[in-house]
Amino acid sequence: QKEVEQNSGPLSVPEGAIASLNCTYSDRGSQSFFWYRQYSGKSPELIMFIYSNGDKEDGRFTAQLNKASQYVSLLIRDSQPSDSATYLCAFPGGSARQLTFGSGTQLTVLP
Amino acid sequence: GAVVSQHPSRVICKSGTSVKIECRSLDFQATTMFWYRQFPKKSLMLMATSNEGSKATYEQGVEKDKFLINHASLTLSTLTVTSAHPEDSSFYICSASGTVGYTFGSGTRLTVV
Repeated sequence: QKEVEQNSGPLSVPEGAIASLNCTYSDRGSQSFFWYRQYSGKSPELIMFIYSNGDKEDGRFTAQLNKASQYVSLLIRDSQPSDSATYLCAFPGGSARQLTFGSGTQLTVLP
Repeated sequence: GAVVSQHPSRVICKSGTSVKIECRSLDFQATTMFWYRQFPKKSLMLMATSNEGSKATYEQGVEKDKFLINHASLTLSTLTVTSAHPEDSSFYICSASGTVGYTFGSGTRLTVV
């Protein structure tokens, strides 16, 4: 079983809609989770991190964490074409707290 | 904010030659550096973890003699791809871990011809 499962998409939403991205994880000991956005040919950039159950909002982005169900999600409200990218969830683990990434979800926001 | 400078951004080399990629933390001390490789339309795969002044820890399946990692100081880590082959062509990304969390370099696109 993979440590992080992510709906691979691709996902297309119209401009202005809500995009929903999801990850499930297998390690119940995981405490914190990160969402990264990666444009083609670029390195990942951090969008949000969350470590408490519930929702965390930052502008148009909301991260949701449910430790009992072992899933973490990212909602993007009022999606814009500039949000079109691959979104990666990740969590730190191992002795060095290295990030383990999901496979990524390619999001396309249609104008 | 924390910045990791990665060079070169792109490199094309001939098969059999070696390529060195540098990552420098500009305004913080990177106690740990992670090196990732990413193939097209795939996710980031951890290659190795290095701590300043000690030997790197390589992930299963990554040849330590082919991918030489040096982390000689708290601000500099290098990855050398030795005797590169076309199958080594990939996007290599470093990530520094320190008191500021995880900071990624801008990546190096390696093409071996």
